[in-house]
Order: sequence, then C-alpha cells, then structure tokens
Amino acid sequence: TQLLEQSPQFLSIQEGENLTVYCNSSSVFSSLQWYRQEPGEGPVLLVTVVTGGEVKKLKRLTFQFGDARKDSSLHITAAQPGDTGLYLCAGHAGNNRKLIWGLGTSLAVNP
Amino acid sequence: DAGVIQSPRHEVTEMGQEVTLRCKPISGHNSLFWYRQTMMRGLELLIYFNNNVPIDDSGMPEDRFSAKMPNASFSTLKIQPSEPRDSAVYFCASSLLQFYGYTFGSGTRLTVV
Repeated sequence: TQLLEQSPQFLSIQEGENLTVYCNSSSVFSSLQWYRQEPGEGPVLLVTVVTGGEVKKLKRLTFQFGDARKDSSLHITAAQPGDTGLYLCAGHAGNNRKLIWGLGTSLAVNP
Repeated sequence: DAGVIQSPRHEVTEMGQEVTLRCKPISGHNSLFWYRQTMMRGLELLIYFNNNVPIDDSGMPEDRFSAKMPNASFSTLKIQPSEPRDSAVYFCASSLLQFYGYTFGSGTRLTVV
C-alpha cells in the first residue's frame, strides 16, 4: 500500500520557470521530510516539517505542510539546472516508527 | 565527518554467489537503516537497528537476506545465494534518533547475472 502519493511523477521545465510538486496522503503524519536525490547518490535531506500549516524556506525552495498534516508541497522559484534530481517525500504516520516513502518526482531543468 | 560510508560502490556477481555489503554510519548516530531502491518499487526498508539491536526485519525479502551490526560503527547486509531479482541499489542510512532526518550513503549498485 502506497500511503504517500507524489505528483507529478515526471517534470521537465526550462531554466527560470517556477514549479510545484505535491505529496498527498489520506493518513495523518506526525512529521514529513523532503529529500533530493541526484543520479548515483543517496537521498539528501532538505527539510523536516512537523506542524500543520508550517512553511519553511530554503533559498528558492518553499515547503508547506498541510493544515491537517495529510499533505505537503514543494515550490521552486526560478528553477536552475542544479535543481535537477528526484524529489522524495517521506513521513512518520501517527506513532508508526517506520518512515513511509513516496515514489518521488523526477525533475529535469533544461538550460 | 565523512558521512555514511558504503562499500563497494558497484558489485557484479553471478547467480548463486554470496554478496556482502558494508556500511559505516555517522559516529554518534543511534539508528541504522538498510534500504533497497528500484524504479518500480522505490525505496523499500529492509531492516533497521537501534543501538546495534535489530528492531524490525519484516522488510527482508526472505531467508537469503541477513544483516548484522556487531558494533556502533559497522553493519553488513548479506545475500546468500544471490538471484538476478536482487539486482538493485542498496542504501545504508543512519540517524541520530529514529524520528530525525536520515543521512544516506552513496549506495551499492548490485547486479546479479
């Protein structure tokens, strides 16, 4: 059972464009994390959100946790080729000790 | 800190052979995780340890897979005998505490022919 649905699955855009990717679930998450994975490497943690409605910014990246803690979004402003990679969301559902992973959004930013 | 260190980076082996993957977590991290990543299934948790003790191995595919953590600075994942369907990228990750963010190694790309 895939508890975290990420969309879109693939995204190809031009440098300078804005984009938003989504991470949705029917379950409530106590915390949610976003990772970026580049080819040939492991995922790298970008941010953790824990409070419903929370917004965190990391340079051109804005992360939002839904009020009900069932969904999250990642917005990138003025995308650059260096943003290319697989964006993964992962979270702890309730008191579940295991981290639940989405399948990711594969982003390609073309120069 | 050098981060989570995995070896080897690439492994090609013949079906039926034993494969051992190695991981050195970040010093001071109490939790260690072994994952397998494929295009179809994404990241799958195989097993995780807290303070060197295996907590949940329900993700281990079958008896051919085993994992050990003899001390806080070393863990192994062994597949014996290996099969072509085991081909995937295997990641080790560590975390200060179970609910904190994870630090991943660069992975081992395993190909079983």
